[in-house]
Amino acid sequence: GESVGLHLPTLSVQEGDNSIINCAYSNSASDYFIWYKQESGKGPQFIIDIRSNMDKRQGQRVTVLLNKTVKHLSLQIAATQPGDSAVYFCAENGARYSGNTPLVFGKGTRLSVIA
Amino acid sequence: NAGVTQTPKFRVLKTGQSMTLLCAQDMNHEYMYWYRQDPGMGLRLIHYSVGEGTTAKGEVPDGYNVSRLKKQNFLLGLESAAPSQTSVYFCASSYSEEPSGGYEQYFGPGTRLTVT
Repeated sequence: GESVGLHLPTLSVQEGDNSIINCAYSNSASDYFIWYKQESGKGPQFIIDIRSNMDKRQGQRVTVLLNKTVKHLSLQIAATQPGDSAVYFCAENGARYSGNTPLVFGKGTRLSVIA
Repeated sequence: NAGVTQTPKFRVLKTGQSMTLLCAQDMNHEYMYWYRQDPGMGLRLIHYSVGEGTTAKGEVPDGYNVSRLKKQNFLLGLESAAPSQTSVYFCASSYSEEPSGGYEQYFGPGTRLTVT
């Protein structure tokens, strides 16, 4: 989920289990959502995205679910591996101005995989 | 392709000094962005550019200036550094319009700046 203050929420998962990371977004007009993974000392990397005309999208070992009614987004990681340990950010395209709008990022969730 | 590169990787400044961070991308992207990331926080947009010669303010623009003289480069300047600008700075770029690439932003590796 989203963090409050300086401390990121942390999700600890046993290796091989499934992980679910949640995100609440703020703007009901947002029509594009994206998940990024950030490993320590690196820039964010794209994981998966979804548009508002979809409820679910699957990638390799990852699934994103979108619930527009409650403005909620989740990232599911199947068979979590040690390499999945990172901070995960959701982002929305926020208020629409024109064309490609800058993304608005959440504060992130730290995923810690226990071997 | 190198993707998005940033220089320098690390820098220490004294209060009041100035510096410029350079971002370069080789993907022919129209849009470029500068973010700062503080401990426990997400990414906050400083400035962005929708094309060569254009810039726009983001969420936290005060104390920073930017320039986009060439499509592949986006410069972030600090005219008079303050300790509150101690942060990790990320540059990103993206395509401009659907359907070519949607809104996905490609990030550089970051610059860690400390202002004492």
